[in-house]
Amino acid sequence: QKEVEQNSGPLSVPEGAIASLNCTYSDRGSQSFFWYRQYSGKSPELIMFIYSNGDKEDGRFTAQLNKASQYVSLLIRDSQPSDSATYLCAAAYNNNDMRFGAGTRLTVKP
Amino acid sequence: EAQVTQNPRYLITVTGKKLTVTCSQNMNHEYMSWYRQDPGLGLRQIYYSMNVEVTDKGDVPEGYKVSRKEKRNFPLILESPSPNQTSLYFCASSFTGGRTEAFFGQGTRLTVV
Repeated sequence: QKEVEQNSGPLSVPEGAIASLNCTYSDRGSQSFFWYRQYSGKSPELIMFIYSNGDKEDGRFTAQLNKASQYVSLLIRDSQPSDSATYLCAAAYNNNDMRFGAGTRLTVKP
Repeated sequence: EAQVTQNPRYLITVTGKKLTVTCSQNMNHEYMSWYRQDPGLGLRQIYYSMNVEVTDKGDVPEGYKVSRKEKRNFPLILESPSPNQTSLYFCASSFTGGRTEAFFGQGTRLTVV
């Protein structure tokens, strides 16, 4: 069974802090990993994707991938109240099969 | 503007009454898919399509049908809706499925009574 696991939260951080979101996946055949942000009542939108081991930075966001540990994380630096949302981790096993985690709800308190 | 458009946004229907949720994308994407989102379960794939006339089942296909007669359109059909199909539905499209970003429609909140 190909599973993507996330802590459902809620995760609460103060404004300006670093938010750390974690995700594990079960199938070592996973090739691509995505983080989507979903505001309440809205559709998911892509934050970052990562294919290779290591870190990938984009502005305040850093995705980290460790294939040996089957672990993906998203760090949000200088968290803002506007970052409050549910963050979905997704793992793609081939060109046709993308599995999503249940999401972690993040609240950034002013 | 590049977008995925779903209709309707909200729908309340009765058990057994056939319905169709439409999905259209203007990005010339080959890959399209349907998901349902339920509390605590995340997004689960219902059906996907790699190209015109090519469709396949996802994780939760029971009770649903799809068709892909044109590249831009991928309707979701519920022949005989039941209350357990009450959910939030998203259509998504991408260039190549799992390797590239998926663009999501606005969502359709379906209630079956």
